[in-house]
Amino acid sequence: GENVEQHPSTLSVQEGDSAVIKCTYSDSASNYFPWYKQELGKRPQLIIDIRSNVGEKKDQRIAVTLNKTAKHFSLHITETQPEDSAVYFCAASINAGKSTFGDGTTLTVKP
Amino acid sequence: GAVVSQHPSRVICKSGTSVKIECRSLDFQATTMFWYRQFPKQSLMLMATSNEGSKATYEQGVEKDKFLINHASLTLSTLTVTSAHPEDSSFYICSAVPSRGPTDTQYFGPGTRLTVL
Repeated sequence: GENVEQHPSTLSVQEGDSAVIKCTYSDSASNYFPWYKQELGKRPQLIIDIRSNVGEKKDQRIAVTLNKTAKHFSLHITETQPEDSAVYFCAASINAGKSTFGDGTTLTVKP
Repeated sequence: GAVVSQHPSRVICKSGTSVKIECRSLDFQATTMFWYRQFPKQSLMLMATSNEGSKATYEQGVEKDKFLINHASLTLSTLTVTSAHPEDSSFYICSAVPSRGPTDTQYFGPGTRLTVL
């Protein structure tokens, strides 16, 4: 089955700096790659996603890049703010909605 | 739009009892729903795929007789943890995929915190 690896497991940045989280996947059939933000005790919230026919997608301070050949995709957050602090999960999907999640990255943005 | 609810949000039960968790899509129909389990400081682990009108598909290592799933309508799936034990204590999250629109977008419920004493 699909295997998704996510790095780093923890990331600490100063407010205003950029944060980058990287994921790799194993199944070349995967065609949908969402990123979720999860605050403690809450549901995962979709923050951005990318499909395999696109190499890059941006939404204000958040961007995602996808390299299908290398089977990796990355989340970029610019101008980080303390409220960006949370756990971020990447995921890969090869069937309708069924996703394999990475292990998560705990992002801490220091004021 | 695309709101998913779960009930209850928290439940505490004694070991050996059964607990039912409901997952509802409030403003859309969902042929497919997913059930996840998340232990503290860990990722979401898919337990099973729930399909309306048919049997659920369980992931490897998940006991289907212990975690009973019923998806009787296009807006409701239930997960029953039978004979719960302390090791079943976890955060259970469902998600629903709208029957119409992109089939790879899932909307998550708020989760149910189960504590088994």
